[in-house]
Amino acid sequence: NAGVTQTPKFQVLKTGQSMTLQCAQDMNHNSMYWYRQDPGMGLRLIYYSASEGTTDKGEVPNGYNVSRLNKREFSLRLESAAPSQTSVYFCASSEAGPRGTEAFFGQGTRLTVV
Amino acid sequence: GENVEQHPSTLSVQEGDSAVIKCTYSDSASNYFPWYKQELGKGPQLIIDIRSNVGEKKDQRIAVTLNKTAKHFSLHITETQPEDSAVYFCAASKKGTGANNLFFGTGTRLTVIP
Repeated sequence: NAGVTQTPKFQVLKTGQSMTLQCAQDMNHNSMYWYRQDPGMGLRLIYYSASEGTTDKGEVPNGYNVSRLNKREFSLRLESAAPSQTSVYFCASSEAGPRGTEAFFGQGTRLTVV
Repeated sequence: GENVEQHPSTLSVQEGDSAVIKCTYSDSASNYFPWYKQELGKGPQLIIDIRSNVGEKKDQRIAVTLNKTAKHFSLHITETQPEDSAVYFCAASKKGTGANNLFFGTGTRLTVIP
């Protein structure tokens, strides 16, 4: 049982390049999330998917797009990377319903945009 | 929306001493308060949580207290060990509304000195 798996673990991009961060969970969770973590700012929600087929913006969605490919997979795309998107990105998942608030996190992707 | 403040940002203690991390929240409707531990190179992991109908909860060396009137909650770690060294995040939400409504503090880096 791997939990939440993110790829890649590290990435360096040049300004203007695009890339997709991949996330998969094997806990049969309905809801999935993408966060970014910056020094002194904690975890901020970028996008989430409450269930398969739905996606919604979080606190900091600008510059990102997401795709809920199926129940297991939720990807985050940077169409034109900017230095301000240098961060550590975490994918998370949770059950729906009354226990839906506990989030299970992946190990993170450290992205540097130069 | 909810605003969660966390103090201190860094904390160093001698092995065997106690550590206390404090958080305040702004939304009186929040009723679920989890604490996450993030070890180096890993994603955050839930270590303890408390609901608003409970004033204190303990799990071995870890305890959380909640004062709903003052809108603050604290994490207490007793008999600290080197493996307790990590970044700790508090969070607040309305339980059952999904992790998209989970608001995090900015984190406390705890160092336990052997």
